[in-house]
Amino acid sequence: DSGVTQTPKHLITATGQRVTLRCSPRSGDLSVYWYQQSLDQGLQFLIQYYNGEERAKGNILERFSAQQFPDLHSELNLSSLELGDSALYFCASSDGITSYNEQFFGPGTRLTVL
Amino acid sequence: AQSVTQLGSHVSVSEGALVLLRCNYSSSVPPYLFWYVQYPNQGLQLLLKYTSAATLVKGINGFEAEFKKSETSFHLTKPSAHMSDAAEYFCAVSGPGSSNTGKLIFGQGTTLQVKP
Repeated sequence: DSGVTQTPKHLITATGQRVTLRCSPRSGDLSVYWYQQSLDQGLQFLIQYYNGEERAKGNILERFSAQQFPDLHSELNLSSLELGDSALYFCASSDGITSYNEQFFGPGTRLTVL
Repeated sequence: AQSVTQLGSHVSVSEGALVLLRCNYSSSVPPYLFWYVQYPNQGLQLLLKYTSAATLVKGINGFEAEFKKSETSFHLTKPSAHMSDAAEYFCAVSGPGSSNTGKLIFGQGTTLQVKP
């Protein structure tokens, strides 16, 4: 158990819908990362937040947005969903800003768009 | 731009045999390099990381990796495979040059099969 929790574990929805994925980092960790894992794109970095502020952005679509709240939990919002958004979405957390600090991964949320 | 290439999407070894998973990186600055393992239906777990200290890095579960700048490689090895090592392994690169962020760039992954 990494100490990072993600809810829900599974999500099935339809095209055009909007969903919210939630992540609670390990106690004391200030950085939260979101990654997408799909069969065709592999494991891709989406976005990093540090203590409530966006720190780095990867290949995140404009239809996707994220935020980190004062209690340090984070949410990833996916809207106007397409079939290609079906993937495993991982949240990770670390106690620092840079990659020098180990990232601990949650179990993921499996999103299926029908 | 940084990138990672993992050679071989599937590797099969017998129990007790040497495990060798290959990773080559591309980076314009000295990178940080990582190996992660993903067991079925679980998140990723860090096996080991290289951050410009010793070039031979020892990790958990008996794995180790050697940073070779001349070959731009960071191959993962284990002398003797166990059945419990069957999983997917990811090599990742990041670096001091990544604008002071934690962004990781992952390879496509290698599935390790261990045969009894």
